[in-house]
Amino acid sequence: EADIYQTPRYLVIGTGKKITLECSQTMGHDKMYWYQQDPGMELHLIHYSYGVNSTEKGDLSSESTVSRIRTEHFPLTLESARPSHTSQYLCASSDVEREGAYEQYFGPGTRLTVT
Amino acid sequence: KNQVEQSPQSLIILEGKNCTLQCNYTVSPFSNLRWYKQDTGRGPVSLTIMTFSENTKSNGRYTATLDADTKQSSLHITASQLSDSASYICVVSDRGSTLGRLYFGRGTQLTVWP
Repeated sequence: EADIYQTPRYLVIGTGKKITLECSQTMGHDKMYWYQQDPGMELHLIHYSYGVNSTEKGDLSSESTVSRIRTEHFPLTLESARPSHTSQYLCASSDVEREGAYEQYFGPGTRLTVT
Repeated sequence: KNQVEQSPQSLIILEGKNCTLQCNYTVSPFSNLRWYKQDTGRGPVSLTIMTFSENTKSNGRYTATLDADTKQSSLHITASQLSDSASYICVVSDRGSTLGRLYFGRGTQLTVWP
């Protein structure tokens, strides 16, 4: 099982609140990712990082922001939560290329509900 | 437009039976194809990764096939168990991306009944 952790697992919060979703990994991976997944739908990449002090926006536009101050930590922040932010957020990390592919390891996810 | 299409959307089978899930993709240039298992409320877990030169790979009761010419893949599950109930996601990576960016299908929701 991959050593990648997310907290909280579930969060119900009111509109306008600031929230931070935590993600940490103990595998020493340089690359980390945030995905958003709605029920029955595919994962969409919203942020990624190549390493410390590196952050990029993904394919799906998101009002969230991320930071990468330490290799093992990649938190995601929403300054003002809205009901449209209700979704599952999955964090992942990947190691060096093996067999021509980067294996991605996923955390358990945070289920966010904004009321 | 999603570049990875999976079928069926959902499937119910009895414990002990076999099943096959399908994946068609248009991602180009192709680098590799992965099958993930995602239990409800959990993150995806990798089952197999296949590169361009591979056409079959097994992981226990899971066997994945790849036809890079027709851009199709299948995941065959043998002697299903109740714990196989999950969403199975086909994921394709394009070549030349140092990020290793992935294109995800919507998954096939498999339910195994006793």
